Amino acid sequence: GQNIDQPTEMTATEGAIVQINCTYQTSGFNGLFWYQQHAGEAPTFLSYNVLDGLEEKGRFSSFLSRSKGYSYLLLKELQMKDSASYLCAALDSNYQLIWGAGTKLIIKP
Amino acid sequence: GAVVSQHPSWVICKSGTSVKIECRSLDFQATTMFWYRQFPKQSLMLMATSNEGSKATYEQGVEKDKFLINHASLTLSTLTVTSAHPEDSSFYICSANTGAETGELFFGEGSRLTVL
Repeated sequence: GQNIDQPTEMTATEGAIVQINCTYQTSGFNGLFWYQQHAGEAPTFLSYNVLDGLEEKGRFSSFLSRSKGYSYLLLKELQMKDSASYLCAALDSNYQLIWGAGTKLIIKP
Repeated sequence: GAVVSQHPSWVICKSGTSVKIECRSLDFQATTMFWYRQFPKQSLMLMATSNEGSKATYEQGVEKDKFLINHASLTLSTLTVTSAHPEDSSFYICSANTGAETGELFFGEGSRLTVL
């Protein structure tokens, strides 16, 4: 079956760095997305990786290892507004998005 | 980036009535739109894939007669919750992609349905 695993909840301190991991098992693979979702709002796009390696975009970076079925989202210089759920989603061979349950990130002052 | 607009944002209705939610792509044409349902503290659950000019493809366990989807044009898809019941209360979100290789999805603002 197809499966996405990511931690349910993480806590970090303002100004620090946090890494949110995601492992996936899908029928074929056409890329991995990270989305940010604040409570009561729709998700917003953060990153897309289809090749191995690290993609950096400001304070956020995303890493992919296709051979390991593994990705992480790295958030630097954490701000209180980064408190949100972070959703990992993999695109399978039919270009269907398989969603993880999301990681709730709590930022403490 | 591309903009997807969803309306209404909030809707409260009585049990037994029908509610229509609209999803529009404002600055691009969306051959395919997706409808999701999200319960509190849970991830998105794909309900159906809406294809312009043809019938929607529903995910297993989603009642097609309960959740009517119409994708009449390249910029508009509608979800109608028929004979709504309190258990239909949820956050409904639509999304679309521009057809770019990345397959990036752009989401509407979401519609919170409360059925009394």
